[in-house]
Amino acid sequence: AQTVTQSQPEMSVQEAETVTLSCTYDTSESDYYLFWYKQPPSRQMILVIRQEAYKQQNATENRFSVNFQKAAKSFSLKISDSQLGDAAMYFCAYRSANTGNQFYFGTGTSLTVIP
Amino acid sequence: DTGVSQDPRHKITKRGQNVTFRCDPISEHNRLYWYRQTLGQGPEFLTYFQNEAQLEKSRLLSDRFSAERPKGSFSTLEIQRTEQGDSAMYLCASSLGPGTSGFYEQYFGPGTRLTVT
Repeated sequence: AQTVTQSQPEMSVQEAETVTLSCTYDTSESDYYLFWYKQPPSRQMILVIRQEAYKQQNATENRFSVNFQKAAKSFSLKISDSQLGDAAMYFCAYRSANTGNQFYFGTGTSLTVIP
Repeated sequence: DTGVSQDPRHKITKRGQNVTFRCDPISEHNRLYWYRQTLGQGPEFLTYFQNEAQLEKSRLLSDRFSAERPKGSFSTLEIQRTEQGDSAMYLCASSLGPGTSGFYEQYFGPGTRLTVT
């Protein structure tokens, strides 16, 4: 089975600064999708950004961008101009494009934004 | 509210009792997923439906667990003879998608927190 590793259990960032959350994954497949989900305290998980493995261009969504390194199997999330509302658990997730619909999630990174 | 809803939000039960959770997906979504999330962990896949058909089940889904999605609408997850190890957040998600290819965003519900005493 695929594994997703988030090596930073906790991170903190000053408001308006930039922070990068790390994610690595292990797979033998060449076609897959990667995601970052945000889970605010006591609230629903929402999708932040996604990346198709066949695309070389890194995905961006407003203040959120990824650094996708396919050969290194690395998928980091950069949050620019951090806001208080960015405080949450962030989960990296993997889904095969060919072998089913299971999402594999990492253990999460708890992000604190310091005013 | 047209999002994914789950009921109940919290459930406390004694070991050995049966519990049932309900998930109502977004109405036009034909895919429905169940996950379990324990403290300090990411969600772990349990099972997946496409319409009323249960297409995938994780090894985590022991024979004490059963899920249904009659008529391809809402889904129920039942746990029989609950154990303390079943204590977790049970998340439901739904998405579009007729097949396994292509990207379809999963929309998550708020979860049902189960505590087994």
